[in-house]
Amino acid sequence: ILNVEQSPQSLHVQEGDSTNFTCSFPSSNFYALHWYRWETAKSPEALFVMTLNGDEKKKGRISATLNTKEGYSYLYIKGSQPEDSATYLCAFLSYNTDKLIFGTGTRLQVFP
Amino acid sequence: DTAVSQTPKYLVTQMGNDKSIKCEQNLGHDTMYWYKQDSKKFLKIMFSYNNKELIINETVPNRFSPKSPDKAHLNLHINSLELGDSAVYFCASSQGTTPGELFFGEGSRLTVL
Repeated sequence: ILNVEQSPQSLHVQEGDSTNFTCSFPSSNFYALHWYRWETAKSPEALFVMTLNGDEKKKGRISATLNTKEGYSYLYIKGSQPEDSATYLCAFLSYNTDKLIFGTGTRLQVFP
Repeated sequence: DTAVSQTPKYLVTQMGNDKSIKCEQNLGHDTMYWYKQDSKKFLKIMFSYNNKELIINETVPNRFSPKSPDKAHLNLHINSLELGDSAVYFCASSQGTTPGELFFGEGSRLTVL
């Protein structure tokens, strides 16, 4: 059974704070790691698809890093805004399977 | 123009009934998926189709039957609905066989009474 774990489960920050959360995944048979942003009452939207160890991707104030050897990825949000409030999901894809395994997400709330 | 659209968004039905959820994508993607969001908020893969061919069939009761009339459509039919089938079902699509970025529909909330 492939486990994808995310921490923390939830996070409350003030507007302007920078924050980060973690996705842990199996370090063997790595193929790709996805990050999705999921706002309440909407559908998940892809932020990043990462494939290379040491990869770092950025989209505006959001960035992500990847360590495939130790099996973790960090998502950073710089200067959080209320519109960043959402659940952030990571998903792991291994070489053995075509199935994306999702974590349970980190629910972020940014207070004005 | 919605890229991945599902209908209906909400479905309330009695135990034992048969119901379908439809999904259509206009992105020209080759692969479509059905995911179930369970009570713990996990998104779990149920099925995937590539160009109308079944690729992934997870351990799902055979009351659930996907049908792909063409590569732009993947419908989910559920027979003899049970209380435990209540969940939000998400359709998604991606390019290629190996999942790249997934594009999700808005979800269909099924409530079985």
